[in-house]
Amino acid sequence: GQQLNQSPQSMFIQEGEDVSMNCTSSSIFNTWLWYKQDPGEGPVLLIALYKAGELTSNGRLTAQFGITRKDSFLNISASIPSDVGIYFCAGHTDRGSTLGRLYFGRGTQLTVWP
Amino acid sequence: EAQVTQNPRYLITVTGKKLTVTCSQNMNHEYMSWYRQDPGLGLRQIYYSMNVEVTDKGDVPEGYKVSRKEKRNFPLILESPSPNQTSLYFCASSRLAGYEQYFGPGTRLTVT
Repeated sequence: GQQLNQSPQSMFIQEGEDVSMNCTSSSIFNTWLWYKQDPGEGPVLLIALYKAGELTSNGRLTAQFGITRKDSFLNISASIPSDVGIYFCAGHTDRGSTLGRLYFGRGTQLTVWP
Repeated sequence: EAQVTQNPRYLITVTGKKLTVTCSQNMNHEYMSWYRQDPGLGLRQIYYSMNVEVTDKGDVPEGYKVSRKEKRNFPLILESPSPNQTSLYFCASSRLAGYEQYFGPGTRLTVT
């Protein structure tokens, strides 16, 4: 299946620091989604991006849809302890046989030290 | 409250004993999907459904069946579970394919 490369795999930061993570794919996507998952819970949608170049914010979170349509970035500003969790990117393409598929990165585990 | 529900949340079973995990959404979404999550492998799509009576395979469909007889429900069936199907399973739905998907709380399955 389609491979999404998400990096970094893990991050250990101090409270108040900014965080940046990204996803790249070998194919063009029409949609990029960013999720956060807390232990024992289902992924929760953070930001949805539908246009190349789009920059969208949700509180302290900002995500961008890369202009090549093959990458996306998520930034978290002024991190706080409750930001701890696993962050996933996901991409969708509306091409032919893959129309129903949503591809996920392997996640970035974020740890925030007080 | 708009939500995706799954039942059961936890299940321990034995090899070969057929089981069904139910999934229901109350958002009138066309699209529904099942994923499994394993350490180091992330979320992998099992099956998805674009609409009622329309289902298709994802990355890891072997050993699973699904049906979509009505819009709100999308059960996952394991006819003969095996230990390699021990995993955390998530159901998700979205208005249409390609739009933001909303996930259920997960079902932790252990097959001994």
